[in-house]
Amino acid sequence: GQQVMQIPQYQHVQEGEDFTTYCNSSTTLSNIQWYKQRPGGHPVFLIQLVKSGEVKKQKRLTFQFGEAKKNSSLHITATQTTDVGTYFCGTGSNYKLTFGKGTLLTVNP
Amino acid sequence: GAGVSQTPSNKVTEKGKYVELRCDPISGHTALYWYRQSLGQGPEFLIYFQGTGAADDSGLPNDRFFAVRPEGSVSTLKIQRTERGDSAVYLCASSLAGGGHEQFFGPGTRLTVL
Repeated sequence: GQQVMQIPQYQHVQEGEDFTTYCNSSTTLSNIQWYKQRPGGHPVFLIQLVKSGEVKKQKRLTFQFGEAKKNSSLHITATQTTDVGTYFCGTGSNYKLTFGKGTLLTVNP
Repeated sequence: GAGVSQTPSNKVTEKGKYVELRCDPISGHTALYWYRQSLGQGPEFLIYFQGTGAADDSGLPNDRFFAVRPEGSVSTLKIQRTERGDSAVYLCASSLAGGGHEQFFGPGTRLTVL
């Protein structure tokens, strides 16, 4: 099945700094979904990307799907303490999502 | 209810015991998923239901694990002869349909096997 690798595993930033997490695969992906999981919480859907080169924005969050559909990124501009959590990418050919290990973001106020 | 609910929120059991974990999906969602999440890992797919039938149970680790969804709504994940390695958070999710739709996760059941 499809597998995705996420880097970095951890990222600590000062409030106001930018943050980027990457999701990479050796095979072409049909789609990428991004989820956020707050400490002690459950994953919450953020976005789905399907098209090659697709870019979507949600306020301070920018999501990209690579031209070759083998990688994706999530960029947060000017982080806030509310951004703390683990960001997971997941992919699936149909219904079965395979998740990466996630990137844990901590923000120093 | 407004979201996916799971009971119990915490379950502590002894090695060798049988446990049942319940998931109540969002009303109208035909697709239901079970995942298992260990510390520091992403959710790991276990099983997917479309309606009452298990469309894909390839993620179940062995035959001690079984899940049902008899009326196409509530689902129960059953684990027989629990082992310490089964300790994890068991997450349930539902979606309007299969096929790349947004999955709504429940709060999970934290299972601890002593």
